[in-house]
Amino acid sequence: QITLKESGPTLVKPTQTLTLTCTVSGFSLSTSGVGVAWIRQPPGKALEWLALIYWDDDDLYSPSLRSRLTITKDTSENQVVLTMTNMDPVDTATYYCAHIPRSYTRHFDYWGQGTLVTVSS
Amino acid sequence: QSALTQPASVSGPPGQSITISCTGTSSDIGTYNLVSWYQQHPGKAPKLIIYEDNKRPSGVSNRFSGSKSGNTASLTISGLQAEDEADYCCCSYAGSRSYAVFGGGTKVTVL
Repeated sequence: QITLKESGPTLVKPTQTLTLTCTVSGFSLSTSGVGVAWIRQPPGKALEWLALIYWDDDDLYSPSLRSRLTITKDTSENQVVLTMTNMDPVDTATYYCAHIPRSYTRHFDYWGQGTLVTVSS
Repeated sequence: QSALTQPASVSGPPGQSITISCTGTSSDIGTYNLVSWYQQHPGKAPKLIIYEDNKRPSGVSNRFSGSKSGNTASLTISGLQAEDEADYCCCSYAGSRSYAVFGGGTKVTVL
């Protein structure tokens, strides 16, 4: 059974760096083809894809946020970490991590429960 | 403003069929057979219900079906049930522009 769970701060101040961790189970981050993505959703608004990392450490970023994002993984700890620099109130959102079943697919078949991050001074 | 355009809301009585449209461009929906649809109940995470335009994951009701014509994808829910009341969001691969672009979401109301 594949599960993902996000963790991190619920409140960050403007200009700070956000670090979120996605802990996965039911699959290995080293399995060929597998990936994990981060997606966010501001309150009452649409989903927005942020970044992803594959089993072979290949990564991709949203063009509009590329300069602020870094995604890494620790296979031994079953964790994927997203950092976002220079946080702003518009970054207030629920942040989800999601499983990508195969590298040639473009869908997210399992999602974490999400974690709400509020950016405020 | 979302990359893909969906109607804000769609409604129908129990038992009826409804269709939600998702309009993109020739750079995303029109080129790739990689549209997915997600169902999201309030306060919950999205759930995959359609992938690769028209495929259903195991366990998803066959009342949900996906199709595509040109730059527009569609999700049809047949035999509408109270439990189908939720937000529905489309997503497409957009090539070099972006790995994934989402629609703004459609709220489905069962009358």
